[in-house]
Amino acid sequence: EPEVTQTPSHQVTQMGQEVILRCVPISNHLYFYWYRQILGQKVEFLVSFYNNEISEKSEIFDDQFSVERPDGSNFTLKIRSTKLEDSAMYFCASSEIEGSTDTQYFGPGTRLTVL
Amino acid sequence: SQQGEEDPQALSIQEGENATMNCSYKTSINNLQWYRQNSGRGLVHLILIRSNEREKHSGRLRVTLDTSKKSSSLLITASRAADTASYFCATGRHQGAQKLVFGQGTRLTINP
Repeated sequence: EPEVTQTPSHQVTQMGQEVILRCVPISNHLYFYWYRQILGQKVEFLVSFYNNEISEKSEIFDDQFSVERPDGSNFTLKIRSTKLEDSAMYFCASSEIEGSTDTQYFGPGTRLTVL
Repeated sequence: SQQGEEDPQALSIQEGENATMNCSYKTSINNLQWYRQNSGRGLVHLILIRSNEREKHSGRLRVTLDTSKKSSSLLITASRAADTASYFCATGRHQGAQKLVFGQGTRLTINP
């Protein structure tokens, strides 16, 4: 069964460093998303992406964040200058718009630890 | 806010019993989705119910939606130890690209 994959599974970085989290959405999906979950808290929406542009973003998604679909398969989240409070689990998700479902399928997540 | 809020926050039952978790939300929605998360792992989609539907079944799962009360319930019948996980509801306001708004989740423990 097709699934969303994410790399790396765990990333440790120093405060102020740039990180890039990578995702490979399900191949026939057209909408892509990033969410994050701080330990012990709710899953929070960051951004949605369609047709090579951002569809919607949350207040969390400030100028330090950016997303890109550099080729036909990858979808990346870049954090330019990480802060301690960026430590969280980051989930990528994808969904198809053709057809009858808006189900979002989530990847296994990348645990980001900022020291 | 649109937030889905689950209750109870934690539920512990014996294997074989049924588990019921509830979710409430505040604004109009297009759909409501239930997800499972094993400790420290990813989110597994369980079931989606649309605002014009009242009940859906998938295997041992039964989901109801009451839009007049802005609430949903997830019933897991004949629970198994492997059902131990956190369960989240998430609401979407429209079709297509949509942010899902997640609740705090219910931590379900199935005791053998």
